[in-house]
Amino acid sequence: GENVEQHPSTLSVQEGDSAVIKCTYSDSASNYFPWYKQELGKRPQLIIDIRSNVGEKKDQRIAVTLNKTAKHFSLHITETQPEDSAVYFCAAADSWGKLQFGAGTQVVVTP
Amino acid sequence: SQTIHQWPATLVQPVGSPLSLECTVEGTSNPNLYWYRQAAGRGLQLLFYSVGIGQISSEVPQNLSASRPQDRQFILSSKKLLLSDSGFYLCAWRPDSRYGYTFGSGTRLTVV
Repeated sequence: GENVEQHPSTLSVQEGDSAVIKCTYSDSASNYFPWYKQELGKRPQLIIDIRSNVGEKKDQRIAVTLNKTAKHFSLHITETQPEDSAVYFCAAADSWGKLQFGAGTQVVVTP
Repeated sequence: SQTIHQWPATLVQPVGSPLSLECTVEGTSNPNLYWYRQAAGRGLQLLFYSVGIGQISSEVPQNLSASRPQDRQFILSSKKLLLSDSGFYLCAWRPDSRYGYTFGSGTRLTVV
């Protein structure tokens, strides 16, 4: 089955700086890669996703890149703000269509 | 519009007691449904998924079970809870494999 690894596990950034989270996956047949943001005690919320026929997607301060050859994808947050502080999860849909999640990255944005 | 309901929000149960968590989806038909568990400070572990009524696939062997008695209803059960069953249980749905999941609000289960 699919195996997703996510790094780093924690990330501290100064407000206004950029944050980058990286994930790798194992199943070359995976074709859908969402990113979720989870605030403390809340449910995960989808923030951006990318499909295997696209190399990059951007939505305001958030962007995701996908390298299918290397089987890795990344989340980029620019001009970070305190409200970006949360746990971020990457995921990959395996050949059965089920989402397997990375272990998560705790992002802390300090003013 | 589609909505997902999950209850209860919090639950404290003694070891050895039964469990029943319910999830329902509105505004759609034949959704793919999922149960995930999240231990404190950890990632999301897929427990069960269902692509239709009566169709349940288990990802992790354990003392939990799932059922889908109706198209838009997904139930997570246990006959006897263990301390290790404590966690944040999340139901999720999506129309089909082309889309991401939408999660329910979750049930925080504490087994004492």
